[in-house]
Amino acid sequence: DAKTTQPPSMDCAEGRAANLPCNHSTISGNEYVYWYRQIHSQGPQYIIHGLKNNETNEMASLIITEDRKSSTLILPHATLRDTAVYYCIVRLASYGKLTFGQGTILTVHP
Amino acid sequence: GAVVSQHPSWVICKSGTSVKIECRSLDFQATTMFWYRQFPKQSLMLMATSNEGSKATYEQGVEKDKFLINHASLTLSTLTVTSAHPEDSSFYICSAYLRLGPDDEQFFGPGTRLTVL
Repeated sequence: DAKTTQPPSMDCAEGRAANLPCNHSTISGNEYVYWYRQIHSQGPQYIIHGLKNNETNEMASLIITEDRKSSTLILPHATLRDTAVYYCIVRLASYGKLTFGQGTILTVHP
Repeated sequence: GAVVSQHPSWVICKSGTSVKIECRSLDFQATTMFWYRQFPKQSLMLMATSNEGSKATYEQGVEKDKFLINHASLTLSTLTVTSAHPEDSSFYICSAYLRLGPDDEQFFGPGTRLTVL
């Protein structure tokens, strides 16, 4: 699996958009970008994934650069409940295994 | 989304005893489940892959005789920590793997907090 690099922590004001970056410069052509988050003392929660096109669901948007070497997870209107550790993971589809890095601690403040 | 449960949610045991943790997929069948361990302020580390009807596959450095995994049915996998010691105290998380055509997804349980005294 390709390695990912994320900032260790970020802050965001409640109601504003949270933009979480992820670098994955060694990503291969058939590897997907997955995002999970983990709220304190809970199991991780799937957010979104994509291959090369931008993706949007009810939770977030995923913007992948054209060269696929980086991506940004966007939470359009962050709430206090979005405070969590956000993990960006690159892997092959249907591979199963997930390798978690250190992630980004997002703190949403009032 | 699909629901995965774990039992117990927390357990405290004495050093030298064995502890069993259950992971259940409540509304779907999972031929594969994964077990992770997470120490305080650290990321999740994959311990093993549990396949229904066959032996589990352990990650490098994980003692298979200490962490016994059984995947007896398509909805249940168990992790038994044998002869637990204080250094085994951790947050244990399972996930159930669901393949949806060319795509796939993992659904995580809420975790089990193990404290060994």
